[in-house]
Amino acid sequence: NAGVTQTPKFRVLKTGQSMTLLCAQDMNHEYMYWYRQDPGMGLRLIHYSVGEGTTAKGEVPDGYNVSRLKKQNFLLGLESAAPSQTSVYFCASSFPRVSLLAGGHNEQFFGPGTRLTVL
Amino acid sequence: GENVEQHPSTLSVQEGDSAVIKCTYSDSASNYFPWYKQELGKRPQLIIDIRSNVGEKKDQRIAVTLNKTAKHFSLHITETQPEDSAVYFCAARGSTLGRLYFGRGTQLTVWP
Repeated sequence: NAGVTQTPKFRVLKTGQSMTLLCAQDMNHEYMYWYRQDPGMGLRLIHYSVGEGTTAKGEVPDGYNVSRLKKQNFLLGLESAAPSQTSVYFCASSFPRVSLLAGGHNEQFFGPGTRLTVL
Repeated sequence: GENVEQHPSTLSVQEGDSAVIKCTYSDSASNYFPWYKQELGKRPQLIIDIRSNVGEKKDQRIAVTLNKTAKHFSLHITETQPEDSAVYFCAARGSTLGRLYFGRGTQLTVWP
């Protein structure tokens, strides 16, 4: 049971380049999330997904796109990278809220992070 | 949406002392309040959480209290140790399905 994994761990891009970050989870979680973490700003939600084929915007979605083609994978894309997107990116997953009512677990499990630098 | 404020941003204590971190939230519909610990270079990990139908929860040296009326919750760490040094994040789950709103974090340093 690997939990939540992310690839790559590190990446350096030039302004204007594109890339895709991959998140995978093997816990059969319905919900998946992408956050960015910047010094003094906490964890800010970029996009999230409540199930396969569905995505929604978080608080800082501009410049990013996502896709959830399979339940276990959540991809984050940068079409044209900008220096302002230099950050550490964390993926997370959890069971849905409804499972709380049934006594399920609420915890969001985080991946190890991807450190992205845009020059 | 929900808005979570966390204080202080930095906290230094002597080993063995207690540490308290406080958070406030804005959405009265929020019903789940987790605390995450993030060591340098690592991922955030859940250390304790509390649901809105509970006022206090303890786990060894860590406790969380919740005041729904005042919309604030606090993390208490007793008998602090150097390995407690980390960034701590509070969060609240608002009305939107499953989504957590995080505070900006508190850098806790425990001096031996």
